Amino acid sequence: GDSVTQMEGPVTLSEEAFLTINCTYTATGYPSLFWYVQYPGEGLQLLLKATKADDKGSNKGFEATYRKETTSFHLEKGSVQVSDSAVYFCALSEPYNFNKFYFGSGTKLNVKP
Amino acid sequence: DAMVIQNPRYQVTQFGKPVTLSCSQTLNHNVMYWYQQKSSQAPKLLFHYYDKDFNNEADTPDNFQSRRPNTSFCFLDIRSPGLGDAAMYLCATSRDVTSVFHNEQFFGPGTRLTVL
Repeated sequence: GDSVTQMEGPVTLSEEAFLTINCTYTATGYPSLFWYVQYPGEGLQLLLKATKADDKGSNKGFEATYRKETTSFHLEKGSVQVSDSAVYFCALSEPYNFNKFYFGSGTKLNVKP
Repeated sequence: DAMVIQNPRYQVTQFGKPVTLSCSQTLNHNVMYWYQQKSSQAPKLLFHYYDKDFNNEADTPDNFQSRRPNTSFCFLDIRSPGLGDAAMYLCATSRDVTSVFHNEQFFGPGTRLTVL
């Protein structure tokens, strides 16, 4: 079945460091891919998304490219800030059942000043 | 601002005492979802409504029920909460699940349930 695998955390970085959080997926066809962010005590917020191969989603300095050949959707940011500390979830929705989302287990990011 | 609202943010109940969590939305979305999220885990879909059409996940326990009296409101009822039901419960909505361009889910802030 469909699934999402993302790197385990926590990831601890210093401010202004480069961030990569790996995400790979298993799906039939061409799913839509998402990154959601969850700040402490809050719900999930959409960070970015991509709906077809080679699309690049971007928002607030974060980027991720839909790579069909490697079934990946890695999240990157060139210079993290303390305010980026949160849990990041990679997710996919099925191409034939758009309301069904599969979430990865989440990666906690800690950014130190 | 259009949004998804969950009340209460924190709920404490006793073992076996029924509890209801509520969700409302001002987005006028036709799909509403309930997820259970335990600590350090991914959200787990319990069920969703497409308009009034209820869709239960196969592994959702019978202890969990839902009601959607109108487009704006959706309720999660836990008939006899056990200690294992302590979790964050997230409500989400989406606008149109017939198009890949509209299937983004919008989440509420969640209700943290404690079972004593």
